[in-house]
Amino acid sequence: SAVISQKPSRDICQRGTSLTIQCQVDSQVTMMFWYRQQPGQSLTLIATANQGSEATYESGFVIDKFPISRPNLTFSTLTVSNMSPEDSSIYLCSAGQGSVTGNTIYFGEGSWLTVV
Amino acid sequence: GQQLNQSPQSMFIQEGEDVSMNCTSSSIFNTWLWYKQDPGEGPVLLIALYKAGELTSNGRLTAQFGITRKDSFLNISASIPSDVGIYFCAGPTSGTYKYIFGTGTRLKVLA
Repeated sequence: SAVISQKPSRDICQRGTSLTIQCQVDSQVTMMFWYRQQPGQSLTLIATANQGSEATYESGFVIDKFPISRPNLTFSTLTVSNMSPEDSSIYLCSAGQGSVTGNTIYFGEGSWLTVV
Repeated sequence: GQQLNQSPQSMFIQEGEDVSMNCTSSSIFNTWLWYKQDPGEGPVLLIALYKAGELTSNGRLTAQFGITRKDSFLNISASIPSDVGIYFCAGPTSGTYKYIFGTGTRLKVLA
């Protein structure tokens, strides 16, 4: 399994500002993803963080709003830009590795953002 | 697109009872993952299933990969108060390593 650390764990942000969330994995992983979980909802995939190249975004998410970096196999950042109250959510970093049996992904503790 | 529906949405049970929940899809999946999420925390992986018909246990938890590959089941035996939380199933979208998540089952235990 992979141990994933995220920071900040929680923050209150002013609308119109941007915040960068960091994700550190304790081992090299092939796959890193960013999810959003709105209050009382399930997890929604924002994008796949690709090492050394641009992230791959899911429908409804764009790079200008959620720029992502992944400079190496253990680290990624997600920025939530020009925040509005609708961006208040838990943002979760996940990482996974394939194996002979299959693929599994693990999660960090999440970053709980409240936009006021 | 692919969707995962979980039932029940929520349930109250008495401590000591067994619990069953399921996850269904209109599409075929080749992997099923089950997670538990406690308030204010990230999801924690409980069980991973990779083969149709597979039955896997983790302590009091048992999960099965449905034979049609369109569903999966999670059972919890002899529930205890710390079983409270939200249980999610997840599966990879067709031909990718990207996982989508089910709607969740919220478990509440009456002591």
